Amino acid sequence: KNEVEQSPQNLTAQEGEFITINCSYSVGISALHWLQQHPGGGIVSLFMLSSGKKKHGRLIATINIQEKHSSLHITASHPRDSAVYICAVGDTDKLIFGTGTRLQVFP
Amino acid sequence: EPEVTQTPSHQVTQMGQEVILRCVPISNHLYFYWYRQILGQKVEFLVSFYNNEISEKSEIFDDQFSVERPDGSNFTLKIRSTKLEDSAMYFCASSEVRGGEQYFGPGTRLTVT
Repeated sequence: KNEVEQSPQNLTAQEGEFITINCSYSVGISALHWLQQHPGGGIVSLFMLSSGKKKHGRLIATINIQEKHSSLHITASHPRDSAVYICAVGDTDKLIFGTGTRLQVFP
Repeated sequence: EPEVTQTPSHQVTQMGQEVILRCVPISNHLYFYWYRQILGQKVEFLVSFYNNEISEKSEIFDDQFSVERPDGSNFTLKIRSTKLEDSAMYFCASSEVRGGEQYFGPGTRLTVT
């Protein structure tokens, strides 16, 4: 059974700061997903990656398959980035979710 | 942009009652999922569905739960006799291919009293 751990659980930042959220998992996977959950509850897919690095706007996701570790970076953070960021790993027909990292960015 | 929709957004029911949560996946997607999130906890997998049958289910998905695709567009989750501990946000998701990116609906908040 795959265990997904995220750190930190909570993160507070000032606008403009560079943010890093980490995710590690215990068993080899086919793909890792980063998702964003807003206070209203809705879940949005940010990235799906199985190797290397992906970038979308101010968001960058990296994965190291050998170390079973992924990071999500936010450059030039903004208050609208405040949300819960969730790492999930693909396991055949399902996603296994981490507990999430609650990010608050203050002006 | 196509999106997954769910109805209702909030359902309140009494313990022991049956509820049906409805989802309309993205139209060209073939793989469908239900997840739930109890308040303050992480999202948990319930069931995956492909080609009109369950492909995988979790320990949570016991005999009280069932899923159906009654027509070409809807995908439903039925809870036969709700318990207090079924109170949670239920998310439907769909993907075009197996193991592909999953697109989530906005969720249905189920409150069992």
